[in-house]
Amino acid sequence: QVQLQESGPGLVKPSGTLSLTCVVSGGSITSNNWWSWVRQPPGKGLEWIGQIYYSGSTHYNPSLESRVTISLDKSKNQFSLNLTSVTAADTAVYFCVREVPSGINWFDPWGQGTLVTVSS
Amino acid sequence: QPVLTQPPSVSGAPGQTVTISCTGTRSNTVHWYQHLPGTAPRLLIYSNNNRPSGVPDRFSGSKSGTSASLAITGVQAEDEADYYCQSYYSSLSASVFGGGTKLTVL
Repeated sequence: QVQLQESGPGLVKPSGTLSLTCVVSGGSITSNNWWSWVRQPPGKGLEWIGQIYYSGSTHYNPSLESRVTISLDKSKNQFSLNLTSVTAADTAVYFCVREVPSGINWFDPWGQGTLVTVSS
Repeated sequence: QPVLTQPPSVSGAPGQTVTISCTGTRSNTVHWYQHLPGTAPRLLIYSNNNRPSGVPDRFSGSKSGTSASLAITGVQAEDEADYYCQSYYSSLSASVFGGGTKLTVL
């Protein structure tokens, strides 16, 4: 059974870079799935950030595209998120998720999520 | 503003049927998630009306035109959570979520 676990700093300074890693266990990151990041600001709903395929192909939410990079490391069975020039608006719980290919992809399973606060 | 519209909250007494709507889905397939704060969201319904293994059959989904619905038949106290619909907008080149609906079991 595939499981995902996020890790990274819980506090990032404004204008800095948010960096998170997601370790995939119980399955291979080279399987026929996309690997994604989703976030939830406090008191708000879910926002899709972007996705990566094991080939390295990526797609990003246009609202964040200029600041986002998602990469993967096959040898460590993990993928990562970098978000640059962060502001308080980037404070959120960040989830890593497997995105199952379909006509309209769905997200399953999800990591537990990690809270990242942007503050000086 | 979320592109998919859900009611902010719904409520029901144990045993009642509760329905959560999701509008703005266009003709696209919709998926549903259950989220208890502090935990990992859980896939509840995929492709409009399919339940993953392990999801109780009191949860059901439907789609008609540009709207989708999640029904909980015989709601239980443990169902108190936030529920989100999800689809894809090709015009945005992005997966999109509804704003979420908080279910309160009275």
